[in-house]
Amino acid sequence: DTAVSQTPKYLVTQMGNDKSIKCEQNLGHDTMYWYKQDSKKFLKIMFSYNNKELIINETVPNRFSPKSPDKAHLNLHINSLELGDSAVYFCASSPLAGREQYFGPGTRLTVT
Amino acid sequence: QKEVEQDPGPLSVPEGAIVSLNCTYSNSAFQYFMWYRQYSRKGPELLMYTYSSGNKEDGRFTAQVDKSSKYISLFIRDSQPSDSATYLCAMSGNFNKFYFGSGTKLNVKP
Repeated sequence: DTAVSQTPKYLVTQMGNDKSIKCEQNLGHDTMYWYKQDSKKFLKIMFSYNNKELIINETVPNRFSPKSPDKAHLNLHINSLELGDSAVYFCASSPLAGREQYFGPGTRLTVT
Repeated sequence: QKEVEQDPGPLSVPEGAIVSLNCTYSNSAFQYFMWYRQYSRKGPELLMYTYSSGNKEDGRFTAQVDKSSKYISLFIRDSQPSDSATYLCAMSGNFNKFYFGSGTKLNVKP
């Protein structure tokens, strides 16, 4: 059973489009995260939700909007995609805020 | 200054060698320390998780934390070609935010 899953795995789209990435965890964790990993492998946190409540909102353009319908799901919607948004986006979850995190397989977004 | 510093490598070793991977950090509030392994085009996989200072061993892996020096290490004994990956350190304090190193790329040659 996949612990943290993301869809889609690959996403190729044009500039200006709007797209969504979905994440689900079956670990029973309370906290979920979105990270962006650039071409140099640097992982940067974007958002964190604890039990459906937004608790971390880093300096991210407001074109990015997370949504947590329940504590097992955290989606990321991106409006007006730009070339610089091309990266791998990882979802993660942890049993408690600040504790060890478990990552999904990533969504490789390419904006052309 | 970055919160977490990690040598990007690449680090190339022969099979069977002992590998030492390190990170330094600046924030004395960090108390949870993690090491992740990331294979190419995969998500980071949690290897080791330690709280505060001390050592933790799991099979061929040993994690060390020296809070007085703000320095953490991951040792891999009897390294195997399958250990070839990028290793990321991560840490957090009494808050929800994690800080990651930029990763060290390890290549274990058969």
